[in-house]
Amino acid sequence: EDQVTQSPEALRLQEGESSSLNCSYTVSGLRGLFWYRQDPGKGPEFLFTLYSAGEEKEKERLKATLTKKESFLHITAPKPEDSATYLCAVQAQAAGNKLTFGGGTRVLVKP
Amino acid sequence: NAGVTQTPKFQVLKTGQSMTLQCAQDMNHEYMSWYRQDPGMGLRLIHYSVGAGITDQGEVPNGYNVSRSTTEDFPLRLLSAAPSQTSVYFCASSYGANGNTIYFGEGSWLTVV
Repeated sequence: EDQVTQSPEALRLQEGESSSLNCSYTVSGLRGLFWYRQDPGKGPEFLFTLYSAGEEKEKERLKATLTKKESFLHITAPKPEDSATYLCAVQAQAAGNKLTFGGGTRVLVKP
Repeated sequence: NAGVTQTPKFQVLKTGQSMTLQCAQDMNHEYMSWYRQDPGMGLRLIHYSVGAGITDQGEVPNGYNVSRSTTEDFPLRLLSAAPSQTSVYFCASSYGANGNTIYFGEGSWLTVV
């Protein structure tokens, strides 16, 4: 059974204080690992897809990396507008487009 | 291009009532799915469809029905609502059924009393 565990559950940062979110996974043949951002009362918003170990992707202050067992979402010099819940999900090769999600990390960036 | 549109945004049902959550996408996506999101549980797949006329069960299908008569629409039916179905429901779609980015709607908040 595919499993995704995200840590920490919640993270409070001061503006400018860089940090990393962890996503550990087990999957029977990884097709892709997805990161989404979710604001309160909204649907998940796509950020990145990573397909193979060693791959990295960046968008503004966010950088996602992937190993064979985990992914990290690095937030560099965060701003208050980066406050959100960040969701990690895996897609198995034999599972069509089904995503298995972790519980998310709630990030609060204080000015 | 509105993306994935869900209605209603909020709904309160009494136990035993039935209702349909509507989902429409205007991106000509073949793949559509429904997830529910509960505190501490993450998003879980209810049903999905890889094209018009084709549907299949996800992780938590009990108590829900779906149909896919057109490419654009994928309604989710609650046959006899139960308090355990109180949740936030998200419809999602993607182009193709394998490894493509999945885009989500804004969600439907359902409370069953």
